[in-house]
Formats: sequence, structure tokens, C-alpha cells
Amino acid sequence: QQKVQQSPESLIVPEGGMASLNCTSSDRNVDYFWWYRQHSGKSPKMLMSIFSNGEKEEGRFTVHLNKASLHTSLHIRDSQPSDSALYLCAASWGSGGYKVVFGSGTRLLVSP
Amino acid sequence: EAAVTQSPRSKVAVTGGKVTLSCHQTNNHDYMYWYRQDTGHGLRLIHYSYVADSTEKGDIPDGYKASRPSQENFSLILELASLSQTAVYFCASSESGGGYAEQFFGPGTRLTVL
Repeated sequence: QQKVQQSPESLIVPEGGMASLNCTSSDRNVDYFWWYRQHSGKSPKMLMSIFSNGEKEEGRFTVHLNKASLHTSLHIRDSQPSDSALYLCAASWGSGGYKVVFGSGTRLLVSP
Repeated sequence: EAAVTQSPRSKVAVTGGKVTLSCHQTNNHDYMYWYRQDTGHGLRLIHYSYVADSTEKGDIPDGYKASRPSQENFSLILELASLSQTAVYFCASSESGGGYAEQFFGPGTRLTVL
């Protein structure tokens, strides 16, 4: 069964600092990686997605993908207290119709 | 933005009782999903559907049934609720399947089984 591993489980960064989150798939056939953010007591909302090798930047958020190592990372620069949340990584596969598998998440706390 | 609503938002059920969780979307999306979220497990897929009157099993379907009577509505049914089914349940929809489309989540239902 496909698995998605995230690290670290939790992370504390100072306000204004850089947060780096990691995610690895166990299946070489993965097509897409997704990053969802879930604030406490809320539902997950898609933050960024990436499907080709390289880097994608949107504002303070940057996602890297290395398909050879099945690894993606999310970097948040100039972290704000409002960035404190559970960050879920998901991987998806084209074949099989629906398949999206979520990792257990990284809980980020940005301390003022 | 896509709109997915769930009802009830919270529920307390007794062991062995029947529980029905409802989901409604106004996005005109074909795909709908039911996930459960437990601490330390992220989101796990229970059932999904890509067309009305048809449902498919996800990764953890045991103890759950699903019903998709229309494109807009998708229900999750626990025929005999058990303590282990205490969790937060999320419904989601997406424009297409194959993992290529963003999923839009409802607000969640917190289910406590006593």
C-alpha cells in the first residue's frame, strides 16, 4: 500500500524565521504532490501542488520536488503566527482513478 | 470558491447505534470522498464516489457504508457504531479524479461514540 511519510512531526520556529517541512512517497509511480494546511478546528485547504521536478514559489511559500528520490519539501520564509497549523502532504497517482494518500502531517508552531 | 457542507457538525452516539453523516456540495463536482481524521493518522479515505448511485471502497471501508443519491449529496452510514469510530469525519469533493484535481473539504463532523 502506498505510504506518505512526513517529517518532522512537529516544528517550532520563531516569528520571521524559515520553516522547512519534508515529505516522501513510497511509490515510484507518484504523479502529483499536494500540500494542504489545516488550522486548528478547521478543514484542510490546499496550499500548493507540484508535479514536475524543480521549484515552485507562491509568495512566502516555496515547494521543491525531486522525483528521483520521491521527495518534496515545503519552505515557509518570514513565518508568521498565522502560519501555525497542521501541514498535510498528499501524493496522488494517475492510474486507478481516485488515489490520493495523505501523510500524518507536520504540526508547525510559529512563536511570536 | 467550492462549497461543501456537512451535517451534523457534531454528534454523540451510543455503541451499537446507527449514525448517518451527510454531505452536500454545490460545486457541480463529480467526485466526492469521505475521510476520517484521528490524531497521528492524517486523513484516511473511507469511501468515494464518482457518479450518482455508485460508491467505491477506499482504504478503510470496514464498518462503514456510503450512499450517493445525487451528484450533490453523499452520505456515510455507520450501521453499528463502535468506540473505535470516534473521530472527525471530513467530506470532500473534486472536479475530477485520478488525483489530478484539488480536493475541497467540508467543515467536518466530530463524532463521539460512547
